[in-house]
Amino acid sequence: GAGVSQSPSNKVTEKGKDVELRCDPISGHTALYWYRQSLGQGLEFLIYFQGNSAPDKSGLPSDRFSAERTGGSVSTLTIQRTQQEDSAVYLCATGHLSYEQYFGPGTRLTVT
Amino acid sequence: KQEVTQIPAALSVPEGENLVLNCSFTDSAIYNLQWFRQDPGKGLTSLLLIQSSQREQTSGRLNASLDKSSGRSTLYIAASQPGDSATYLCAVTIGRNTPLVFGKGTRLSVIA
Repeated sequence: GAGVSQSPSNKVTEKGKDVELRCDPISGHTALYWYRQSLGQGLEFLIYFQGNSAPDKSGLPSDRFSAERTGGSVSTLTIQRTQQEDSAVYLCATGHLSYEQYFGPGTRLTVT
Repeated sequence: KQEVTQIPAALSVPEGENLVLNCSFTDSAIYNLQWFRQDPGKGLTSLLLIQSSQREQTSGRLNASLDKSSGRSTLYIAASQPGDSATYLCAVTIGRNTPLVFGKGTRLSVIA
């Protein structure tokens, strides 16, 4: 497709379960970012991939969060042992030489 | 640490009015500034991107200005329409293909 896609669009999980969120970037975009949007917290950066370089993990809130990007394309954000405070919208964005970041529609995660 | 503030948090105007949304950032050493629009339950749509060397960008009824030295940007919307109702987010980066730092947004309602 022409834009960034994310799946699932909605995910409800029980506290303590693991979840995986997927991002399919715009073809050819070398930079990929994960952000989280929580009520009252605004949008915060989680992790950033640029080409084959080591990812910038400085925004990850705890070691329960991890992400990988396979072959410089699809990325998966994994949250282990989910907590209620993990409930948020998780947004993926990609970018390239244009400097702009293009966002996907997000995954709404609800931890019950 | 870069912080981005948007004022006002919410704004309601009658259709046809011209309006200004404000964004300020604490560290003037930015690489670019981007304005986004977010509709309820949706992802982010990029509206305008201003490089640090630029003073303004225009797209249709939208005009964004940047005063890097004072740490301010404004988004001007001319002849507002009900379809402009959304949350407008301002974000800055410190380098090419680096994570965005977001403000908490201004929620705009344009009343017909």
